[in-house]
Amino acid sequence: AQRVTQPEKLLSVFKGAPVELKCNYSYSGSPELFWYVQYSRQRLQLLLRHISRESIKGFTADLNKGETSFHLKKPFAQEEDSAMYYCALYYSGGGADGLTFGKGTHLIIQP
Amino acid sequence: ETGVTQSPTHLIKTRGQQVTLRCSSQSGHNTVSWYQQALGQGPQFIFQYYREEENGRGNFPPRFSGLQFPNYSSELNVNALELDDSALYLCASSLPGGMNTEAFFGQGTRLTVV
Repeated sequence: AQRVTQPEKLLSVFKGAPVELKCNYSYSGSPELFWYVQYSRQRLQLLLRHISRESIKGFTADLNKGETSFHLKKPFAQEEDSAMYYCALYYSGGGADGLTFGKGTHLIIQP
Repeated sequence: ETGVTQSPTHLIKTRGQQVTLRCSSQSGHNTVSWYQQALGQGPQFIFQYYREEENGRGNFPPRFSGLQFPNYSSELNVNALELDDSALYLCASSLPGGMNTEAFFGQGTRLTVV
């Protein structure tokens, strides 16, 4: 079965410091990975997806199939980046077709 | 264009009761997915509906069932509620296309089973 692991429940960094949120996955098929973000009192929303190879709000994520990782990075953290971040894997087959989420990492940017 | 709306926002039920949660999808979206998010956990996929048919199901028992209506709105029904069913229930709508489409989430319904 597919699995997404986010090893850090909480990550606190100072404003201007680099940020890396870790995500590892296990999946027998070809992985399609996403990062979702939830700001305080807002709904869960898509941040970026690996197939787009895009940078959103300064965040990037590279799929490393050898290490089965999809870490989220930003070179210089900003206070507005404080939020809950979820890594998610899209899977298909076996009667199911949906997203598997990790448990999330709470990112706190200190001033 | 309106976003995904869920009702009610909160409710409390007694163990053994039945509950119905509702979701209105974003305008033009014909695919609706439901997720359960327990405290401190990520969302867990329950099932997905496309054109009024169940289109995939996660590891949830049959007492979790759903419906999708011609206007693409959806219901999640849970029978014989258990204490462990206490969670935030999220609805997400999207266009068909699986991994290539973005899922738009509602604010969720907080269910407490006592």
